[in-house]
Amino acid sequence: AAGVIQSPRHLIKEKRETATLKCYPIPRHDTVYWYQQGPGQDPQFLISFYEKMQSDKGSIPDRFSAQQFSDYHSELNMSSLELGDSALYFCASSWVSANTGELFFGEGSRLTVL
Amino acid sequence: AQSVTQLGSHVSVSEGALVLLRCNYSSSVPPYLFWYVQYPNQGLQLLLKYTTGATLVKGINGFEAEFKKSETSFHLTKPSAHMSDAAEYFCAVRTASGGSYIPTFGRGTSLIVHP
Repeated sequence: AAGVIQSPRHLIKEKRETATLKCYPIPRHDTVYWYQQGPGQDPQFLISFYEKMQSDKGSIPDRFSAQQFSDYHSELNMSSLELGDSALYFCASSWVSANTGELFFGEGSRLTVL
Repeated sequence: AQSVTQLGSHVSVSEGALVLLRCNYSSSVPPYLFWYVQYPNQGLQLLLKYTTGATLVKGINGFEAEFKKSETSFHLTKPSAHMSDAAEYFCAVRTASGGSYIPTFGRGTSLIVHP
């Protein structure tokens, strides 16, 4: 079965640079979520999109933005990177309309800011 | 508002011993409850979930959890630990209906299995 695809899996950037992470949800899933997981931390919700519209916003810094495109893939754009942005970024998708509740996670994109 | 508390950031058991990972939740409305497992450098994988119906739910890899409304708990158990169970386990809660459908995760419990 198709899973959530994230790219790149690993990314190394310098401070003040920009980074873009991509997420391809499971086909027919209507909602995409972005989470940030720092070392030894629980996943922190950043932002979500339902049917290509922003649906919920969590602790996403103003330096970050995200969008979902017509083909349902989503991109997380991060600018003016800081050392503290080093983390594992997860994308997850779900079929909210089915109300099963579970999220399907990708394997994550590990961002290292030097 | 909803929250999750996982008691114990690390739990250590011997192979073959009972596994018990504790989770207590707070939710003002009926909750959906989840346990996810995360292996090193991988994404979170759903172990099991409670939505409605039977309060004892069985998941993958021999894990099960019981929803106890009176205790606001959803503890995860497995009768006999295996070395391959060593991983990070996250409990999560979201509202069943109304409000935000975004799940809130606990801080995670690292399960260590000794031979």
